[in-house]
Amino acid sequence: ETGVTQTPRHLVMGMTNKKSLKCEQHLGHNAMYWYKQSAKKPLELMFVYNFKEQTENNSVPSRFSPECPNSSHLFLHLHTLQPEDSALYLCASSFKGILPYEQYFGPGTRLTVT
Amino acid sequence: QKEVEQNSGPLSVPEGAIASLNCTYSDRGSQSFFWYRQYSGKSPELIMFIYSNGDKEDGRFTAQLNKASQYVSLLIRDSQPSDSATYLCAVNMMGNYGQNFVFGPGTRLSVLP
Repeated sequence: ETGVTQTPRHLVMGMTNKKSLKCEQHLGHNAMYWYKQSAKKPLELMFVYNFKEQTENNSVPSRFSPECPNSSHLFLHLHTLQPEDSALYLCASSFKGILPYEQYFGPGTRLTVT
Repeated sequence: QKEVEQNSGPLSVPEGAIASLNCTYSDRGSQSFFWYRQYSGKSPELIMFIYSNGDKEDGRFTAQLNKASQYVSLLIRDSQPSDSATYLCAVNMMGNYGQNFVFGPGTRLSVLP
């Protein structure tokens, strides 16, 4: 595997379900990100992990719970979601120093909440 | 409110023409600027980045940066139908815990054969 991979690619879940999204990067980067992309809206940064430590949480509802066990893996745990949470969830990775370097995105998970 | 603005388009250009995509940003302290291309149903793909004022060329693509005007643009020469996509501008801005990207809403480009 190369680059940034995400599983599953598509997910349909009910509002009472619990599911997890997985991201893995094979680029040797030290930072990983979760973004949400809804129709007609800009990419929204949700969480940032730098060397496994969460460094950004942009007021994301607690029904989204990130986990970063090491610098190559990132999870997004989902529970009791709402229909408005339906979106494309993108994982990205980069080197991160004082300034952000270019980010590389995975293919995304298309989430539908019913 | 720290923002990145782009015309949503669609911007339509004939095949072979130059497409000009524009982006303005609100944070005068921003230092890193990126252009991504996103095809429908796909994830964003990095095209170019620029840090210094002036022009940076890579093949058919030229990024232009003017920090005084808080303006960055992307020119695509000899546009091809395969260039039809949404182009996202990303700018580094200070978040709660450090510098991160802020993305613009994207400009949809349509290259007509």
